[in-house]
Amino acid sequence: AQTVTQSQPEMSVQEAETVTLSCTYDTSESDYYLFWYKQPPSRQMILVIRQEAYKQQNATENRFSVNFQKAAKSFSLKISDSQLGDAAMYFCAYRSSQGAQKLVFGQGTRLTINP
Amino acid sequence: DADVTQTPRNRITKTGKRIMLECSQTKGHDRMYWYRQDPGLGLRLIYYSFDVKDINKGEISDGYSVSRQAQAKFSLSLESAIPNQTALYFCATSDYSGTSGSADTQYFGPGTRLTVL
Repeated sequence: AQTVTQSQPEMSVQEAETVTLSCTYDTSESDYYLFWYKQPPSRQMILVIRQEAYKQQNATENRFSVNFQKAAKSFSLKISDSQLGDAAMYFCAYRSSQGAQKLVFGQGTRLTINP
Repeated sequence: DADVTQTPRNRITKTGKRIMLECSQTKGHDRMYWYRQDPGLGLRLIYYSFDVKDINKGEISDGYSVSRQAQAKFSLSLESAIPNQTALYFCATSDYSGTSGSADTQYFGPGTRLTVL
């Protein structure tokens, strides 16, 4: 079974600075997808960014980018120019391309933005 | 994003009561999922459905049942609620094109906070 590990329960960063959230995963599959979801206090799960495992190029969405290291099974999220609205729980998630295609989530990292 | 709605948003009930959580989506997605979120454990899959006639158990289905009334509706029931079912419940939907792309992304509803006393 696939597992996802986020080793940083909490992180904090100064407004306008850059922060990197870590995620590692375990799988024997070669074709899969990785996601970062954001959960603000409103509790809504919001997609931040996605990465297809077959793509070597790292995904980027405005201030958000990932460092995808397939051999190391690592998928970190970098947030540049941090804003107060970035404060939230961030979840890393894995999805197989086979079977139920369910999302397997990490435990989450709580990100605090200091003004 | 998919328009995924969940009702109720919050519910407090007593042990032994039957509870139904409802999910509706207007995106026309075929696939629907129910997840449970507990503190420190992330989200875990309860049930999923790839179409109206296809319903499957997830990793924590004991104590739950589901009904896919239509493509757009997927309900989760707790036949006899117990306190350890107190959690945040999410419905999610996705489309599937058979190829990689944004259609494979799961979009979540706002969640239902359920408390079982």
